[in-house]
Amino acid sequence: AQTVTQSQPEMSVQEAETVTLSCTYDTSENNYYLFWYKQPPSRQMILVIRQEAYKQQNATENRFSVNFQKAAKSFSLKISDSQLGDTAMYFCAFEESSGDKLTFGTGTRLAVRP
Amino acid sequence: EPEVTQTPSHQVTQMGQEVILRCVPISNHLYFYWYRQILGQKVEFLVSFYNNEISEKSEIFDDQFSVERPDGSNFTLKIRSTKLEDSAMYFCASRVSREGYEQYFGPGTRLTVT
Repeated sequence: AQTVTQSQPEMSVQEAETVTLSCTYDTSENNYYLFWYKQPPSRQMILVIRQEAYKQQNATENRFSVNFQKAAKSFSLKISDSQLGDTAMYFCAFEESSGDKLTFGTGTRLAVRP
Repeated sequence: EPEVTQTPSHQVTQMGQEVILRCVPISNHLYFYWYRQILGQKVEFLVSFYNNEISEKSEIFDDQFSVERPDGSNFTLKIRSTKLEDSAMYFCASRVSREGYEQYFGPGTRLTVT
């Protein structure tokens, strides 16, 4: 079974600074998808960024980028120019290419300080 | 922008009672999901549903749980006889296709079993 590990339960960053959230996963699959979801205090989860395992290029969405290291099974999220609205719980998630469900990590609570 | 909606936002019930949690997925989506999040823990997959039948279910989704799409728009999760340990946030999600497509999450229903 796939597992997703987020080793940082809480992180804090100063507004406008950069922060990196860690995620590792375990799978025997070669093709899969990785996601970062954000869950603000209102609790509705929103997709931040998505990576396909067969693509070597790291995904980027505006201030959000990932460092995908397939051999190391690592998928970290970098948030540049942090904003107060980035304060949220961040979940790393995994999906097999042939599967039909997301497997989530335990989450990292990020606080952006003014 | 279309959204997944869920009702009620908070449901309190007594142990042993039946509850039905309701979700309206995004209208052109074909794949539907329920996840739950016990307070302070990670989001866990319960069940996926496509073409009016269950595609996959987790160990959590035992005989006390059932899902239904009664009218082509609503997607419901029924818990037949609630237990204290069913207290959690229940999230509905939907997507247009599988294989890495984004799952759109609803705001959740907080279920409290007393």
